[in-house]
Amino acid sequence: DAGVTQSPTHLIKTRGQHVTLRCSPISGHKSVSWYQQVLGQGPQFIFQYYEKEERGRGNFPDRFSARQFPNYSSELNVNALLLGDSALYLCASSLSETGYSPLHFGNGTRLTVT
Amino acid sequence: DQQVKQNSPSLSVQEGRISILNCDYTNSMFDYFLWYKKYPAEGPTFLISISSIKDKNEDGRFTVFLNKSAKHLSLHIVPSQPGDSAVYFCAASALDTGGFKTIFGAGTRLFVKA
Repeated sequence: DAGVTQSPTHLIKTRGQHVTLRCSPISGHKSVSWYQQVLGQGPQFIFQYYEKEERGRGNFPDRFSARQFPNYSSELNVNALLLGDSALYLCASSLSETGYSPLHFGNGTRLTVT
Repeated sequence: DQQVKQNSPSLSVQEGRISILNCDYTNSMFDYFLWYKKYPAEGPTFLISISSIKDKNEDGRFTVFLNKSAKHLSLHIVPSQPGDSAVYFCAASALDTGGFKTIFGAGTRLFVKA
């Protein structure tokens, strides 16, 4: 079975640009979450979506937005990129609407903002 | 505001001995706890979880202990193997006003020496 897939694997953008990251969950998983991981820290929660609805949001500015499609895949959008947005962006899927089931992570998208 | 803390950035253990990784949390609303393992260039992989109604959960060489009064959990790996060398993240989940969130600690890098 395919795991969580994310694209692209690496991305370089300049300040002020916009970026879209994509995620396909494990088949049968209806919940998708997005995390940001900077060097030396654990993953920081950005969003959770379930059945195309936002179910949770972390402490990130409005420049960050996401959506989930009918096939449960998801996009994370970041506008007006800042140098501090450089990080590994992880997508995770799970069976449960709540967090009471483990998250299955993709290998991430490494975003570099110059 | 670090709600989940892993105070040891690294730990070195001899092969065959016990590895003990610790985690503290501050939010008493957390009611589901997980440990993830991460290898370089890969996303975190789920290891083991525990509900707040239990104080111990065991899966093969891995055991998680939860002390709710102390807001502390630990992961024991016995016996440790060189392949266990990785970064270990503690995570805690809760449903709050912002929706359901899973919060990660900063991680502990485990080195198992052959």
